[in-house]
Amino acid sequence: GAGVSQSPSNKVTEKGKDVELRCDPISGHTALYWYRQSLGQGLEFLIYFQGNSAPDKSGLPSDRFSAERTGGSVSTLTIQRTQQEDSAVYLCASSPSTGDSNQPQHFGDGTRLSIL
Amino acid sequence: ELKVEQNPLFLSMQEGKNYTIYCNYSTTSDRLYWYRQDPGKSLESLFVLLSNGAVKQEGRLMASLDTKARLSTLHITAAVHDLSATYFCAVGPNSNYQLIWGAGTKLIIKP
Repeated sequence: GAGVSQSPSNKVTEKGKDVELRCDPISGHTALYWYRQSLGQGLEFLIYFQGNSAPDKSGLPSDRFSAERTGGSVSTLTIQRTQQEDSAVYLCASSPSTGDSNQPQHFGDGTRLSIL
Repeated sequence: ELKVEQNPLFLSMQEGKNYTIYCNYSTTSDRLYWYRQDPGKSLESLFVLLSNGAVKQEGRLMASLDTKARLSTLHITAAVHDLSATYFCAVGPNSNYQLIWGAGTKLIIKP
């Protein structure tokens, strides 16, 4: 697609429910990144994919968080048993490759997650 | 550990004035990136600085990089209201392909 697409744009759910966030990167981009941004704060790195592989999962806040990517394209970030502290904007970005740092990461509009 | 500090974190200025945002980082790094974020919106790439002494300009914004001082600046010339946004710098990537982000500078330009 023309840009990074994220869905849903907004998600309100009750504490304890599971949520799934989706990211569709720019066509041809093999690198995909997930970040979390709390209100008025900077970006917290969560995880990256090169192709379908996520070599380092240490940025995920807890074992309730997981992410996968299939077909080298769409990625999903899943949060199980959501807690109120999970409320934030979840941003996805893509770039041509993790090996090409001359190119910036291109961001989607984010999913605003609110846990009641 | 790579750390990135931006200052100021908040800046209110009048239209027509000049000002500079500073981005300091703690260890050597290959690249420095500047992004803009409007309220409720996502991040837009402004500049990618690739080497020592690099200078890039777009309209009223000019970014520079001094890798020896581990410092990048984003200079705003004759500010206009439309430049009101939060500006982030990011440095990297590290060995895990991560960018390390500054906390952001919220810029408000008053007419």
